[in-house]
Amino acid sequence: RKEVEQDPGPFNVPEGATVAFNCTYSNSASQSFFWYRQDCRKEPKLLMSVYSSGNEDGRFTAQLNRASQYISLLIRDSKLSDSATYLCVVNPAQGGKLIFGQGTELSVKP
Amino acid sequence: DVKVTQSSRYLVKRTGEKVFLECVQDMDHENMFWYRQDPGLGLRLIYFSYDVKMKEKGDIPEGYSVSREKKERFSLILESASTNQTSMYLCASSLPPRGSSYEQYFGPGTRLTVT
Repeated sequence: RKEVEQDPGPFNVPEGATVAFNCTYSNSASQSFFWYRQDCRKEPKLLMSVYSSGNEDGRFTAQLNRASQYISLLIRDSKLSDSATYLCVVNPAQGGKLIFGQGTELSVKP
Repeated sequence: DVKVTQSSRYLVKRTGEKVFLECVQDMDHENMFWYRQDPGLGLRLIYFSYDVKMKEKGDIPEGYSVSREKKERFSLILESASTNQTSMYLCASSLPPRGSSYEQYFGPGTRLTVT
């Protein structure tokens, strides 16, 4: 079983749609959680951290369910510029090593 | 603004050649990382370093070595390149984590082709 699992997609949605990505992780002792965004042929960049209480940044909402070892990202009112691959990322311990999911590809169409 | 640079964007090498990939960061970060990214497999950690002259194996270190002689520079070495090392190589750097506040900053990547 992979340490971090995501549905690879692709998710093809129209502009203005709401889309949700899910991710599961296997290590129940994992410390912190993130979503990174990677544009085509570019490097990954931090989109947002995921807090236990859930957190929102504009159109983006991240949620964490420690009991189910499950992380989600919700994007409301999708824009063309949201087209990218979204990487679910877990910090399994106190150190700086991160475990990346394989990514979920999103394509937002006009 | 954090900047992580990598020596080449594209590289073509022959099987058996020794390959050096260089990474430099300008933010005085303690941690540096080398990943490779392949379709369907995501990012996989090759080696990382928490300080000068320190190195630790990641998940797929076989066929690779690293060098960190200066804080800002982390080199990945392929002693004898093979075709299965054709991949996108990404370098990253970071400060040590503080609770859930943690971010790795990535370089633009080097696409290596071994023929």
